[in-house]
Amino acid sequence: EVQLVETGGGLVQPGRSLKLSCVASGFTFNNYWMSWTRQAPGKGLEWVASITNSGGSTYYPDSVKGRFTISRDNAQNTLYLQMNSLRSEDTATYYCTRGYYDGWGQGTLVTVSS
Amino acid sequence: DVVMTQTPPSLSVAIGQSVSISCKSSQSLVYSDGKTYLHWLLQSPGRSPKRLIYQVSNLGSGVPDRFSGTGSQKDFTLKISRVEAEDLGVYYCAQTTHFPLTFGSGTKLEIK
Repeated sequence: EVQLVETGGGLVQPGRSLKLSCVASGFTFNNYWMSWTRQAPGKGLEWVASITNSGGSTYYPDSVKGRFTISRDNAQNTLYLQMNSLRSEDTATYYCTRGYYDGWGQGTLVTVSS
Repeated sequence: DVVMTQTPPSLSVAIGQSVSISCKSSQSLVYSDGKTYLHWLLQSPGRSPKRLIYQVSNLGSGVPDRFSGTGSQKDFTLKISRVEAEDLGVYYCAQTTHFPLTFGSGTKLEIK
């Protein structure tokens, strides 16, 4: 069974940084692209970042490019999202997702507020 | 960016009825490999999203065959036959053909 467990969310002030982690189990982690997807309170889904199996390539929307960095440690079956220069509009639940959305974690809430 | 337009925004159906949700993209979702990367997700209340259908018409693991997906190029439909109480929630279409990856705005299904 695919399991994805996110940690690292919390309350952070605007302009500060936060790093999310996602530990994967139940599948061969290095066989899959992985992504982060977020959902602001009461809103829809927004793609945040993706990374290839090996970690050699990464992709971002303009809304987070230059501020967020996705990475992975295939030896530890762990996906990361380093978030810098956080803004109030980054407030959301952040989900770790596998491949073409065939696996989702429970999400971790990030609140950016002073 | 590919804009995904979902309709209707909400609908209310009785148990046992059938329902369809439309998703139209602003560009063709056919990738260079010939495949179409359009997927359907369901977010039940208080839960994480779950993928129902991938690549237009392929049923996800464990998904009842009451769900079906059709369409091509820029026009896609999710059909739920014989709606059950557990089907309530918000349905999203999602495309992974083009970066940035995008989602529809969602269709909220309520049970009468």
